[in-house]
Amino acid sequence: AQSVTQLDSQVPVFEEAPVELRCNYSSSVSVYLFWYVQYPNQGLQLLLKYLSGSTLVESINGFEAEFNKSQTSFHLRKPSVHISDTAEYFCAVSPLFSGGYNKLIFGAGTRLAVHP
Amino acid sequence: DSGVTQTPKHLITATGQRVTLRCSPRSGDLSVYWYQQSLDQGLQFLIQYYNGEERAKGNILERFSAQQFPDLHSELNLSSLELGDSALYFCASSVEGGYEQFFGPGTRLTVL
Repeated sequence: AQSVTQLDSQVPVFEEAPVELRCNYSSSVSVYLFWYVQYPNQGLQLLLKYLSGSTLVESINGFEAEFNKSQTSFHLRKPSVHISDTAEYFCAVSPLFSGGYNKLIFGAGTRLAVHP
Repeated sequence: DSGVTQTPKHLITATGQRVTLRCSPRSGDLSVYWYQQSLDQGLQFLIQYYNGEERAKGNILERFSAQQFPDLHSELNLSSLELGDSALYFCASSVEGGYEQFFGPGTRLTVL
């Protein structure tokens, strides 16, 4: 079984400051890792993913996340946030080689609030 | 726009009633997933269909059922509704063997 822990339910930050949203997971098998973002009153959008290869993955809007296998973490970072980054961020895992059973297991979410 | 559509956007109904939520996956995607997002349970996987067949089940109540039709759209049926069923219901789709899921805008269900 898999589980995902997002260590902070809310993260307030000022505009242009750096931010880190923490995610740890537990799994008896290898997993793929994802970050999804949910803007107010909208659905979930994939922000970035780690499937294989380089452990540092980047999104087109300046976010990055690093897969750390030994610490079972996949923290999300951005060096300088904008007001428009205000949203809820969900970390998720999906077990590898699951024979097509590709369910996502989500963390509880972190609400990022960027203040001017 | 993910390419996944869900109808209706909002649904208000009473306890004991039955509702049907509809999802159309992205063009070419064979897998459809249903998730429930509630304040107390968070985002939970309900069920997955692949090309018309049930592939995996999660925390789906017996009062809930789903199906995927030959044109690949899917419906989630919720019956004997209770207040606690009030939630956002998301549909997602993926290509065959794909791990990246694309989510629809959701249906917000309110049970009064």
